[in-house]
Amino acid sequence: EDQVTQSPEALRLQEGESSSLNCSYTVSGLRGLFWYRQDPGKGPEFLFTLYSAGEEKEKERLKATLTKKESFLHITAPKPEDSATYLCAVQAEDYKLSFGAGTTVTVRA
Amino acid sequence: EAGVAQSPRYKIIEKRQSVAFWCNPISGHATLYWYQQILGQGPKLLIQFQNNGVVDDSQLPKDRFSAERLKGVDSTLKIQPAKLEDSAVYLCASSFKVGYGYTFGSGTRLTVV
Repeated sequence: EDQVTQSPEALRLQEGESSSLNCSYTVSGLRGLFWYRQDPGKGPEFLFTLYSAGEEKEKERLKATLTKKESFLHITAPKPEDSATYLCAVQAEDYKLSFGAGTTVTVRA
Repeated sequence: EAGVAQSPRYKIIEKRQSVAFWCNPISGHATLYWYQQILGQGPKLLIQFQNNGVVDDSQLPKDRFSAERLKGVDSTLKIQPAKLEDSAVYLCASSFKVGYGYTFGSGTRLTVV
């Protein structure tokens, strides 16, 4: 069974304090690893898809990286508007998405 | 491009009552998904449609949950009778083809008391 574990569960940062979120996974035949952002009362919003080990993608203050066992989401110099829950999901050979429980990030001004 | 529309946004019912949720996907998206997200957990797939046919309903509690997608567009998810553990956010998502370009709606928050 595909498994996705995210750590930490919660992260409190001061504005400008960079940090990383971890997503470790086991999956039968990885097609892609997805990162989503979820704000309270809203559905997940797509951020990145990574397809192979060594791949990196960036968007504003966010950078996602992928290895064979885990992915990292780096937040550089975060702002309060980066506060959200970040979800990681793996897509298996059958295209099914399995989500982790998420990391809730709070950035204080 | 309009997003995935869901209604209602919130619903409170008593256990053993029935409830229905509605989803209108992005125009042209053939694949539609219903997910259940319990507080503090990631979304879990309940059912996946390709046009108006069911592709995967392996995690749908079929004794109480049902879903349909008439004419390959809108979809309805029903729970009858509801249990306390059904309290969750029900998310609808659509994609232009299986496994690509998922877009999620804002969800329906169900509270069963």
